[in-house]
Amino acid sequence: DAKTTQPTSMDCAEGRAANLPCNHSTISGNEYVYWYRQIHSQGPQYIIHGLKNNETNEMASLIITEDRKSSTLILPHATLRDTAVYYCIAPNTNAGKSTFGDGTTLTVKP
Amino acid sequence: DVKVTQSSRYLVKRTGEKVFLECVQDMDHENMFWYRQDPGLGLRLIYFSYDVKMKEKGDIPEGYSVSREKKERFSLILESASTNQTSMYLCASRDEPGELFFGEGSRLTVL
Repeated sequence: DAKTTQPTSMDCAEGRAANLPCNHSTISGNEYVYWYRQIHSQGPQYIIHGLKNNETNEMASLIITEDRKSSTLILPHATLRDTAVYYCIAPNTNAGKSTFGDGTTLTVKP
Repeated sequence: DVKVTQSSRYLVKRTGEKVFLECVQDMDHENMFWYRQDPGLGLRLIYFSYDVKMKEKGDIPEGYSVSREKKERFSLILESASTNQTSMYLCASRDEPGELFFGEGSRLTVL
């Protein structure tokens, strides 16, 4: 798996966009970037993933740089319920370990 | 809806007991994983399996073993539980490639 690095914590005002960065400078050409979030005491929940192109779904947008060394998860209109720990991972596609880092604790404030 | 089910949400065991944590998925996924999560340490991979009867060590396998006799079931075994194995245990499964689906977690307390 590619090593990922994320800031430990971030704050965001309710209703504003939350932009969560992830560095994955050692990612290889066929490794996807996946984002998950974990609300306290629950199992992590899948948000979005991408390979090269930017992606959008009903939950979030994912921007991947052209060199693929970093990405940004965007929650366009953060709500208090988006307060959670967000994990970015880049698992090896050959039966990879799916290793998680420490993630970013996002706190959305009223 | 896809589902990963962990047999127990909360367990309390005594030091030295043998502990089984069971995980079942109904998605016919090839890959299954066991993680533990402790405050401030994120998710750490204990073992994973990419096929029936196949297993690979994760980052912290010491003190644990696993069993995958059927595709849908992946068991985590603590042969002799110790207090430092008090933790939240999370099971997950995924296809290859694909996103991980997690269970709700099993909170184990070893006294």
